[in-house]
Amino acid sequence: QLQLQESGPGLVKPSETLSLTCTVSGGSISIDSYYWGWIRQPPGKGLEFIGSIYHSGNKHCNPSLKSRVTISADTSKNQFSLKLTSVTAADSALYYCARRLGSGTSYFDSWGQGTLVTVSS
Amino acid sequence: QSVLTQPPSVSAAPGRKVTISCSGSNSNIGKNYVSWYQQLPGTAPKLLIYDNNQRPSGIPDRFSGSQSGTSATLAITGLQTGDEADYYCGTWDYSLSVPVFGGGTKLTVL
Repeated sequence: QLQLQESGPGLVKPSETLSLTCTVSGGSISIDSYYWGWIRQPPGKGLEFIGSIYHSGNKHCNPSLKSRVTISADTSKNQFSLKLTSVTAADSALYYCARRLGSGTSYFDSWGQGTLVTVSS
Repeated sequence: QSVLTQPPSVSAAPGRKVTISCSGSNSNIGKNYVSWYQQLPGTAPKLLIYDNNQRPSGIPDRFSGSQSGTSATLAITGLQTGDEADYYCGTWDYSLSVPVFGGGTKLTVL
């Protein structure tokens, strides 16, 4: 059974870089047709797509965050990562990693449990 | 502000039926399949419906989806207290070239 697990610091200082890693078990991130992505949810608010990556390196990124986001994948470790630069309090949220089917359709069929990131000095 | 529009809340009594709407445009729902997610309190979202009306394995047939034009609807019949959750619609947006979500609808089972 596919499992995704987010990891990274729970507290980041303003203006610094948020770094998270998603470790995938029970399946390979190199499988065709699936993208591996990040979604966030500010406390009490809705879901916001951040970005996703395909094993070939193809990426999609939310235009509103594109200038600050880097998504990468390490197929040897079966992990993918998120870096968000110049964070502010508005970036405080629950961050989820998820698998997205991206061939002819688009839906997230497997999610991590989420990791809470707070931006504060 | 979300690309897809959902009502903030809906409510109904146990055993009844409720529908949740999701409104978009020709750059998203009008051109691509819609998915629905259920987020129980304190948990990660879970895929409920994909490709407008398909249920993943393990999702009861009390949950159904439909799509018409630039709108989609999630229907839940035989409401149970355990259905109380936030529900989100999602699809691909061709103008933005990214997946997009609705703002979420909180279901209360009275």
